[in-house]
Amino acid sequence: SQTIHQWPATLVQPVGSPLSLECTVEGTSNPNLYWYRQAAGRGLQLLFYSVGIGQISSEVPQNLSASRPQDRQFILSSKKLLLSDSGFYLCAWSVLQAGGGGGYTFGSGTRLTVV
Amino acid sequence: AQSVTQLDSHVSVSEGTPVLLRCNYSSSYSPSLFWYVQHPNKGLQLLLKYTSAATLVKGINGFEAEFKKSETSFHLTKPSAHMSDAAEYFCVVTGGSQGNLIFGKGTKLSVKP
Repeated sequence: SQTIHQWPATLVQPVGSPLSLECTVEGTSNPNLYWYRQAAGRGLQLLFYSVGIGQISSEVPQNLSASRPQDRQFILSSKKLLLSDSGFYLCAWSVLQAGGGGGYTFGSGTRLTVV
Repeated sequence: AQSVTQLDSHVSVSEGTPVLLRCNYSSSYSPSLFWYVQHPNKGLQLLLKYTSAATLVKGINGFEAEFKKSETSFHLTKPSAHMSDAAEYFCVVTGGSQGNLIFGKGTKLSVKP
C-alpha cells in the first residue's frame, strides 16, 4: 500500500539553528513530492515541489531549501532558522493523472516552533 | 491563474444542525476541486474531490459538495453536525502544470453541544 512518513512530529529549535525535515514515500515510484507550510492564522502555502530526483521548484523565496536525493525521499532544510519559520509543515505526494485530479496523500505533519 | 476563496474564516454550529462551508474558486480551465479536513496537530485528510464527473460529490463522514460552474462555487455541506466534525476545513483547487494544490485560507468549524 502507499504510505508517506514524515518526521519528527514536533520540533522546537532556537533561532539560528539548522533544520532538516525528512519525508519518505512507500508503495509508489516517481511521485511528485511537495512541501507545504501552514503558518498560524494562515492557509497552507506551497513551498517546494519536485517531479524527480534532483529536480526542485521553489514557489516562495525564503529561508528554506529542499532536496530530493532519492526517488522517494524529500528533505526540507534551513541553515539558520528564523522566528518566522515557525509553523506546521506538511509533506505530500501525488501521481499526475490525465485531466488532473490526481490523488494527493499528505504526511502527518511537523509542528516546528522556533524560539 | 487559479485561486480559492473560503468566505468564512470561522463557522459555529450546534450539534445536530446543518453545516455549510462556502468556497469560491477561480480557474482558467476546468478545475479539480477538493475539500480537506485537518484536526488539531494532525495531517490533512481528504473529504471529497470533484474531477469533472458528477457535480454533486459525496465524501466521507456524511459530507458532500456541489460543483456549480455558473457560480464558481464548491460549497461543503453536511445535514447534521457532530462534535467530532470540529476541525479546520480547506477548499483546494489544482493549479500549475505539475498538479500542485492551491489552498484556501481555511474555515474553522466549531460545534457546540
